[in-house]
Amino acid sequence: DTGVSQDPRHKITKRGQNVTFRCDPISEHNRLYWYRQTLGQGPEFLTYFQNEAQLEKSRLLSDRFSAERPKGSFSTLEIQRTEQGDSAMYLCASSSTGRLYNEQFFGPGTRLTVL
Amino acid sequence: GDSVTQMEGPVTLSEEAFLTINCTYTATGYPSLFWYVQYPGEGLQLLLKATKADDKGSNKGFEATYRKETTSFHLEKGSVQVSDSAVYFCALRKTGANNLFFGTGTRLTVIP
Repeated sequence: DTGVSQDPRHKITKRGQNVTFRCDPISEHNRLYWYRQTLGQGPEFLTYFQNEAQLEKSRLLSDRFSAERPKGSFSTLEIQRTEQGDSAMYLCASSSTGRLYNEQFFGPGTRLTVL
Repeated sequence: GDSVTQMEGPVTLSEEAFLTINCTYTATGYPSLFWYVQYPGEGLQLLLKATKADDKGSNKGFEATYRKETTSFHLEKGSVQVSDSAVYFCALRKTGANNLFFGTGTRLTVIP
């Protein structure tokens, strides 16, 4: 399967713990996005990479959140000192660059539950 | 600020019924507009898009027309099938922006 993959698919953690999620984009895509989706809401943008450079961060991305894409391929999203309000589905998407709009392909998401 | 307002769900229709899911937006300039669909247990998929006023996006029997005068991008399908049961998200992307801005989603259930 050559789509966007995310790992793990589900994560249950206790409040105060750190968690890390991984996203593997479609191999030829140089743009990568993270979104967060809470129950009954649409996805909300968190951050965006072009290759290894993090070019944009939403104000939703508090200091407890950090994202990396060290070699311009896979990306990780870490949440430190998790809070119950961090419980959500974390979505990763990737796209290529070009003159025309390039579709963002979404992964299946990582569902985080903070107890 | 930018916003996307979708018709609240859930929507339940019988097979072969006509579907409309309303979507209106607020944004400066000329955003691109999208409908994404999320089938049960799957990731978001692009259903259709329109990048300028009066453009009509279409795919799998679904259509939506970019109406600048009413700032709307309503999704329609003439005859729904059980397999269309999913959550539908309207979204916009501002000119020059990289991220998508989504509505809250509308859950559609089609019963045989």
